[in-house]
Amino acid sequence: GAGVSQSPSNKVTEKGKDVELRCDPISGHTALYWYRQSLGQGLEFLIYFQGNSAPDKSGLPSDRFSAERTGGSVSTLTIQRTQQEDSAVYLCASSLGRQGNTIYFGEGSWLTVV
Amino acid sequence: AQSVTQLDSQVPVFEEAPVELRCNYSSSVSVYLFWYVQYPNQGLQLLLKYLSGSTLVKGINGFEAEFNKSQTSFHLRKPSVHISDTAEYFCAVTRTNAGGTSYGKLTFGQGTILTVHP
Repeated sequence: GAGVSQSPSNKVTEKGKDVELRCDPISGHTALYWYRQSLGQGLEFLIYFQGNSAPDKSGLPSDRFSAERTGGSVSTLTIQRTQQEDSAVYLCASSLGRQGNTIYFGEGSWLTVV
Repeated sequence: AQSVTQLDSQVPVFEEAPVELRCNYSSSVSVYLFWYVQYPNQGLQLLLKYLSGSTLVKGINGFEAEFNKSQTSFHLRKPSVHISDTAEYFCAVTRTNAGGTSYGKLTFGQGTILTVHP
């Protein structure tokens, strides 16, 4: 597709289980971002991949959160031992990676931890 | 570090009325400024951005914003709103980099819910 694609669009999981969220960026975009959107917290930066550089992980809230980007394209955000406070919309975005380039967002993965 | 304050959490207006959504930022370095819109159950869509040059920026759907460096503001305006403009609007900043590579990390405001009534 032409836009940023995320899957699953909705996920309900039990507390303590691990979840994986997938992001397929726009073809040719070297920069990929994960954000979290939750009530009361707004939009929070999680992690940023730029080409072959080491990712900026400064926004990951705990060591239960990790992300990888394989082959400079698809990215997976993994949350281990999920907690109820992890319930949120996880938004992936991508851009061409040059300053000022538009950052395009996917529609998000809605995660509910019960 | 940068921060963004959207001064109004909710703005109700009547159809065809003008609207202004306020955004102030704080940064010790030069920034780029953005407005995004989020319609219900959708992702974020870029409305407009300020990188350099003219301080009045025009975006999609008839929106415009003015960058005011002295007041560190980037308010969003539309002269006549439609029902379809009902959505949440986010102001965001990212710092610039003389080397040319985007830092990428957007800092968002808390959002303003615009509700347009008939």
